Amino acid sequence: GENVEQHPSTLSVQEGDSAVIKCTYSDSASNYFPWYKQELGKRPQLIIDIRSNVGEKKDQRIAVTLNKTAKHFSLHITETQPEDSAVYFCAAKKGEYGNKLVFGAGTILRVKS
Amino acid sequence: DGGITQSPKYLFRKEGQNVTLSCEQNLNHDAMYWYRQDPGQGLRLIYYSQIVNDFQKGDIAEGYSVSREKKESFPLTVTSAQKNPTAFYLCASSLIQGARGYGYTFGSGTRLTVV
Repeated sequence: GENVEQHPSTLSVQEGDSAVIKCTYSDSASNYFPWYKQELGKRPQLIIDIRSNVGEKKDQRIAVTLNKTAKHFSLHITETQPEDSAVYFCAAKKGEYGNKLVFGAGTILRVKS
Repeated sequence: DGGITQSPKYLFRKEGQNVTLSCEQNLNHDAMYWYRQDPGQGLRLIYYSQIVNDFQKGDIAEGYSVSREKKESFPLTVTSAQKNPTAFYLCASSLIQGARGYGYTFGSGTRLTVV
């Protein structure tokens, strides 16, 4: 089955710096890769996603890149702000009927002001 | 809660007691999912359902049961067979269209504590 590994498990950056979180997946047929942000005690919320026919997608300060050959995708946050502090989860979906996502273990991002 | 409602927000269970967590969505989503999250941990799939009257076990289904009698509802029962049920439980829903992927909408969660 699909396996998703996420690194690093924790990341501390200074306000204004960039943050990068990387995930690798095992199933080359995976076709959809969302990223979620979860603030303490709250529900995960979708912040950006990318499909397998696209190499990069941007939305203001966040971007996701996908390398299908290497089977990895990354979340990039530029000009980090204290409100970016949260747990970030990546996920991957196998290219088969249905919408079952396999989640990474999460990255705790701390933005120091 | 963005179209998906979980209740109650907090729940206390005595040893040997079954409890049921409610999850209702008005997004007209076909699929619904239950996840367990322990402190500082990731999301572990308990059960999921892609269509009414059908559901599949996830990675940690032992000690849990579900039903899907209506498209809008996917209740989770934590049975007495679940020896360590204290956790944060998240329900989610999504569209299904063939093999195309869609993001999940999560509920606000139920925090279950054994007393």
